[in-house]
Amino acid sequence: KQEVTQIPAALSVPEGENLVLNCSFTDSAIYNLQWFRQDPGKGLTSLLLIQSSQREQTSGRLNASLDKSSGRSTLYIAASQPGDSATYLCAVRASTDSWGKLQFGAGTQVVVTP
Amino acid sequence: NAGVTQTPKFQVLKTGQSMTLQCAQDMNHNSMYWYRQDPGMGLRLIYYSASEGTTDKGEVPNGYNVSRLNKREFSLRLESAAPSQTSVYFCASSAQGGDGYTFGSGTRLTVV
Repeated sequence: KQEVTQIPAALSVPEGENLVLNCSFTDSAIYNLQWFRQDPGKGLTSLLLIQSSQREQTSGRLNASLDKSSGRSTLYIAASQPGDSATYLCAVRASTDSWGKLQFGAGTQVVVTP
Repeated sequence: NAGVTQTPKFQVLKTGQSMTLQCAQDMNHNSMYWYRQDPGMGLRLIYYSASEGTTDKGEVPNGYNVSRLNKREFSLRLESAAPSQTSVYFCASSAQGGDGYTFGSGTRLTVV
């Protein structure tokens, strides 16, 4: 069974510092991996989606890398801002899945202090 | 605005009561999902519907039933609520194959 782990569970950084969030998964047979952001009391917003054939995806200050063979993905957020404070979750979709079912990590709660 | 709408946003039930959580999407997505989120455990899939008229169990289906009423609507029913079902419930939808995942804002359910 696929296990998705995010370490650390919580992270606090001063404004301007780069954020590095880690996600590991036990089964490398994935179709894709997504990073989501969740604000308190809100739903999840998709940030980046990396297909299994890709090594990275970028959107503005966000960059996500994928190393399938080692079962790892990293989300980099450059020059963090207080508005980046949120919980970040990664989720994988198995290569054998036809219906878009996702397996989630527990998330990393990020606080960016002014 | 296009998206996934869930009702209600908050609910308190007594043990043994029943209720239905409603979900509707207006993005013409084929697939819909119900997840629950518990502290420290991430989101876990309860049920999903790959297309109108089909439903299937996810990781934690016990104690729940679902109905895919039409392409837009996917409801989750608790027949006899238990304290272990206290959680935040999220509905989501995606295009065929899982692209364009969109989540609702959640229903916070407390069973006392």
